[in-house]
Amino acid sequence: EVQLVESGGGLVKPGGSIRLSCAASGFTFSNAGMTWVRQAPGKGLEWVGRIKTKADGGTTDYAAPVKGRFTISRDDSKNTLYLQMDSLTTEDTAVYYCTTRLTLGHSKTQYWGQGTLVTVSS
Amino acid sequence: QSALTQPASVSGSPGQSITISCTGTSSDVGRYNYVSWYQQHPGKAPKLMIYDVSNRPSGASDRFTGSKSGNTASLTISGLQAEDEADYYCGSYTSSSTGVFGTGTKVTVL
Repeated sequence: EVQLVESGGGLVKPGGSIRLSCAASGFTFSNAGMTWVRQAPGKGLEWVGRIKTKADGGTTDYAAPVKGRFTISRDDSKNTLYLQMDSLTTEDTAVYYCTTRLTLGHSKTQYWGQGTLVTVSS
Repeated sequence: QSALTQPASVSGSPGQSITISCTGTSSDVGRYNYVSWYQQHPGKAPKLMIYDVSNRPSGASDRFTGSKSGNTASLTISGLQAEDEADYYCGSYTSSSTGVFGTGTKVTVL
């Protein structure tokens, strides 16, 4: 069974940093591109960024609002995805989801974690 | 990258069909056949309903159909059921190698 479990959320002050983790199981993590998506309270989904597999170069892409402040990385030996968040503002308050889309036979499906809440407040 | 534009709300009676639009630009929806649709119930993670414009994941209901014309994608829900009441988001790949979501549509079953 595919599982994605985020952790590391919590309360952080403006200007502070926090690192989120996403522990993956049930699939070959090293073969999967991974994405972070966030959702501010009562708001819509926002694409944060993604990391490709090492086979595809391991490169990262970020949404404009987080570029230069957030860093996505992966540790394939630990089946874990990370999101390092620096210079946080109140606008970064949201539930953060990790997600991956896998190919199963002739079809694709997408798995999501349960989300972890990051609150940026003084 | 601005969010894709969706109607704030759409409603229908049980058994009816409804269509949700998703309008982007020639840099995202219009350029790639990488439009997805997600269903999200309150307090839950999103669920993929359609990918690559019109493909359904295994296990997804065939009452959900996706299409695209130009810069606008659409999701049609046929035979509307009470369980379809949720928020729906479109998403697309962009020419900046990023993703973008729609503004979201609340579907109400009357």
